[in-house]
Amino acid sequence: GEEVAQTPKHLVRGEGQKAKLYCAPIKGHSYVFWYQQVLKNEFKFLISFQNENVFDETGMPKERFSAKCLPNSPCSLEIQATKLEDSAVYFCASSQYSGANFGGTEAFFGQGTRLTVV
Amino acid sequence: QKEVEQNSGPLSVPEGAIASLNCTYSDRGSQSFFWYRQYSGKSPELIMFIYSNGDKEDGRFTAQLNKASQYVSLLIRDSQPSDSATYLCAVATGNQFYFGTGTSLTVIP
Repeated sequence: GEEVAQTPKHLVRGEGQKAKLYCAPIKGHSYVFWYQQVLKNEFKFLISFQNENVFDETGMPKERFSAKCLPNSPCSLEIQATKLEDSAVYFCASSQYSGANFGGTEAFFGQGTRLTVV
Repeated sequence: QKEVEQNSGPLSVPEGAIASLNCTYSDRGSQSFFWYRQYSGKSPELIMFIYSNGDKEDGRFTAQLNKASQYVSLLIRDSQPSDSATYLCAVATGNQFYFGTGTSLTVIP
């Protein structure tokens, strides 16, 4: 598609429940990035993929967070046993190239999924 | 030390004035620099990118890059109320984009 599609737009989970978020990158984009934005604060990098391979996962809280990008399927970010502090907007972005390697290409953002843990 | 630092503001300027937004980055090897605008409740949208030292102008927007000082800025001339938003500085380093915390700009009519 021509835009990054994130679903669902809103997600409410009780504390301890699982949350699963989806992201379909722009067709032809090889790189997918996940970010967490709590309230209006910083964009925290979580993980990036090059096609279906994890490219950089230095930002992932490994205990409860996992992510996948499988061929012919939207990418997903899953949070097991959600906590109140997981409440945030989760943005997915896709890019044709990664970072500085090719002179940089902008990352296009999806509309985000607002996760509320109650 | 964070990869990208911005003054969180809020920054208020009167309509018609110049708004100046600043950003510093820590990795001297960073090569690509972006300014995104994020309206409340919306996703970030790219407004400017710059790769080379110096100034780059696009309409009312000018991006300035000084790699020696590891500093990038965004100037908005003739500020309009519709420019009121959070401005995110992003730096492409290695394998990923690092974002600053954003500067909240309010243009007062």
